[in-house]
Amino acid sequence: DTAVSQTPKYLVTQMGNDKSIKCEQNLGHDTMYWYKQDSKKFLKIMFSYNNKELIINETVPNRFSPKSPDKAHLNLHINSLELGDSAVYFCASSQGSGDTEAFFGQGTRLTVV
Amino acid sequence: AQSVTQLGSHVSVSEGALVLLRCNYSSSVPPYLFWYVQYPNQGLQLLLKYTSAATLVKGINGFEAEFKKSETSFHLTKPSAHMSDAAEYFCAVSERGSQGNLIFGKGTKLSVKP
Repeated sequence: DTAVSQTPKYLVTQMGNDKSIKCEQNLGHDTMYWYKQDSKKFLKIMFSYNNKELIINETVPNRFSPKSPDKAHLNLHINSLELGDSAVYFCASSQGSGDTEAFFGQGTRLTVV
Repeated sequence: AQSVTQLGSHVSVSEGALVLLRCNYSSSVPPYLFWYVQYPNQGLQLLLKYTSAATLVKGINGFEAEFKKSETSFHLTKPSAHMSDAAEYFCAVSERGSQGNLIFGKGTKLSVKP
């Protein structure tokens, strides 16, 4: 039973389109995150939600809008996709304190053509 | 701002040799420290973490890391490399009092030669 699951695993789309990535965790965690991994494998946090409330927004373009319908779900919607948005997006969850580990999903490889 | 430096973007060892992957953090207040492993086309898996208990931390798959405050380091070691250890390794920090968001190093790709 997957702890953090994201769909889809692969997403190929054209510039200008709007797309969503879904994430669900069954660990009972209060905090969920979106991370972006670029082509050089560098990982950077984009958003953090605690119990459905936005905690961190790391200077991400407002074309990216996270939505948390409940604390087990954190979806990422991206408007007007650009070539530079191509990356692997990881959802993660944790108990929300600095000393607890984050559990990561398998990632969504987004390719914008 | 907190930062993490991983020396060596690529480390190559022979099977059975010692693995040493280096990580240094920048904060004057020791953060919480983590090592994650990423196998190709997969998510990240926790190897081990340091949260102010013992400075020598043992993790999964025979890996361990030692926290050295004087050197602001948290290097990852394994006495004997196995072919299955070939992967990307990330050191990460989480600040005390934070919501657990991780700041990652740039990663080190470990190759293991037969």
